[in-house]
Amino acid sequence: QVHLQESGPGLVKPSETLSLTCTVSGGSISSYYWSWIRQPPGKGLEWIAYIYYSGTTNYNPSLKSRVTISLGTSTNQFSLKLSSVTAADTAVYYCARGQPSSGYYPYWGQGTLVTVSA
Amino acid sequence: SYELTQPLSVSVALGQTARITCGGNNIGGKHVHWYQQKPGQAPVLVIYRDSYRPSGIPERFSGSKSGNTATLTISRPRAGDEADYYCQVWDSGTVFGGGTKLTVL
Repeated sequence: QVHLQESGPGLVKPSETLSLTCTVSGGSISSYYWSWIRQPPGKGLEWIAYIYYSGTTNYNPSLKSRVTISLGTSTNQFSLKLSSVTAADTAVYYCARGQPSSGYYPYWGQGTLVTVSA
Repeated sequence: SYELTQPLSVSVALGQTARITCGGNNIGGKHVHWYQQKPGQAPVLVIYRDSYRPSGIPERFSGSKSGNTATLTISRPRAGDEADYYCQVWDSGTVFGGGTKLTVL
């Protein structure tokens, strides 16, 4: 069974960079899309970015200037960096595995709350 | 950018049928997927590619599309089906609808 787990600081100061890692177990990172999706408290889901196992990336235009997604140093990890954060970036951040061609997400991490505050 | 429109809330009585809509320009040309999210939990895929149910999803969940609207139908919903439901498509990236809160009366 595929399992995804987010990790990273739960508190980030304004103007700093948020960094998260997703560790994938129970399956290979090959042949799928890997996305970061966030959900501000009480609000809906917002896709941030994806990376294909080949390294191809795509970003939400509204966040593109501040986001970097990358494959990790470990073969079954991928990461998110979001720079110049503000309180509006406070959210639960999910990593998820996307199915090629149709783009749906059968597998999600449990999510990690990141709060932006001084 | 592409947008998906969902009603903020839908209420349904026990034993009736709940229908949650998702509107988008030319949605007929895209695959629509649906997720259920309960408080404090990650979303769960309940319908993919318009009408397919993943393993483990009850048959009372079904999906359809007509014109510029996709619909998630929950037949004879249970109290445990109360949740937020999101539609999603792929359009140069992932796009989610705003979500619909389902209340079972």
